[in-house]
Amino acid sequence: KAGVTQTPRYLIKTRGQQVTLSCSPISGHRSVSWYQQTPGQGLQFLFEYFSETQRNKGNFPGRFSGRQFSNSRSEMNVSTLELGDSALYLCASSLAPTDTQYFGPGTRLTVL
Amino acid sequence: GENVEQHPSTLSVQEGDSAVIKCTYSDSASNYFPWYKQELGKRPQLIIDIRSNVGEKKDQRIAVTLNKTAKHFSLHITETQPEDSAVYFCAAWDYGQNFVFGPGTRLSVLP
Repeated sequence: KAGVTQTPRYLIKTRGQQVTLSCSPISGHRSVSWYQQTPGQGLQFLFEYFSETQRNKGNFPGRFSGRQFSNSRSEMNVSTLELGDSALYLCASSLAPTDTQYFGPGTRLTVL
Repeated sequence: GENVEQHPSTLSVQEGDSAVIKCTYSDSASNYFPWYKQELGKRPQLIIDIRSNVGEKKDQRIAVTLNKTAKHFSLHITETQPEDSAVYFCAAWDYGQNFVFGPGTRLSVLP
């Protein structure tokens, strides 16, 4: 099976802009979680979707949002970008919320 | 909510020696504990996991032990090799919540 894929792999934006990141899970996986990874903060949970419903949300401002489509693909959106949003954004998929998560390669976002 | 601590933050060992990384968690309801290895510039990869009904699990040179009473679990790597050099993350999960990751341990295996 193909692994988790994320697009784009790299993004450069300026402050105030918005960005949309995409994640395609492993075929058959219905759960997608998003994480922000920075050198100082490690892996921080953003949100989790299962069957198009948001199950959990981490402690991030409302500028961070996401959704999941009927084919389990997921997108996350960050509006009004700030310098501190520069990070590697990882998504992970699993068959269901209780199962092992498999990570995508990440999207590296740089905000100038 | 769950809180996961991980120690040490950095670890250097000589090739062939053993390495041990320990994580503690706060939520006694957590029942699934995976370990991920992340090499520089790559995605985290699952290397081993354990569920709360098991005390120990081994896979070749890697083992994980779980002490539910003390709420800690550890990763053991024996006969370390240079390719074991990476950042290792532990995580804890309980039903109805999300995965919570430890801050990571940077392991360096010196030749």
